[in-house]
Amino acid sequence: AQKVTQAQTEISVVEKEDVTLDCVYETRDTTYYLFWYKQPPSGELVFLIRRNSFDEQNEISGRYSWNFQKSTSSFNFTITASQVVDSAVYFCALRAGANSKLTFGKGITLSVRP
Amino acid sequence: GAVVSQHPSRVICKSGTSVKIECRSLDFQATTMFWYRQFPKQSLMLMATSNEGSKATYEQGVEKDKFLINHASLTLSTLTVTSAHPEDSSFYICSAEGFFDTQYFGPGTRLTVL
Repeated sequence: AQKVTQAQTEISVVEKEDVTLDCVYETRDTTYYLFWYKQPPSGELVFLIRRNSFDEQNEISGRYSWNFQKSTSSFNFTITASQVVDSAVYFCALRAGANSKLTFGKGITLSVRP
Repeated sequence: GAVVSQHPSRVICKSGTSVKIECRSLDFQATTMFWYRQFPKQSLMLMATSNEGSKATYEQGVEKDKFLINHASLTLSTLTVTSAHPEDSSFYICSAEGFFDTQYFGPGTRLTVL
């Protein structure tokens, strides 16, 4: 069975602070994909990143960066110099094996205060 | 690219009526679409997986006769909530599987049953 744990439920930071959102996953499949989605107050889930199990390279996209470590089954997401517009719920998700379903974590509510 | 639309965005109906929600992939074809339900401050709950031209696969506990899903083309899936009751009030989100096995989400439909 697959499982995604986002232990942090709510994080509050002041603008310009860096913040890391943690994600730990469990699967027995050797082939899997990890995702991060952002859900702003409007409700739409916005795709941020996809990483497959064979690619452990870290990724940077502007102020966003992701650290994938298979040794600790973690796929953490860091926002550098946070902005108010980053306030949202962030979900980590896992797609494993031949199953196309996503297993979501419970989400982390990030509040960035001006 | 990878835009998914959902219509309507909000609907209010009387108890006992049926409501149809449309999900369209606008710039790509999707063999597989998914329907989720989300309660306030909770994660997404998968209701069913919809494959073009075949019957939907429902998750355990989801009533097939209550939530009718049709995936008649590679760009359109519909969810009909039949004989809606107040407990069906929720935020319904669809997704379409697109490039690189990534799910792209629609903006969601907020259903209120009076």
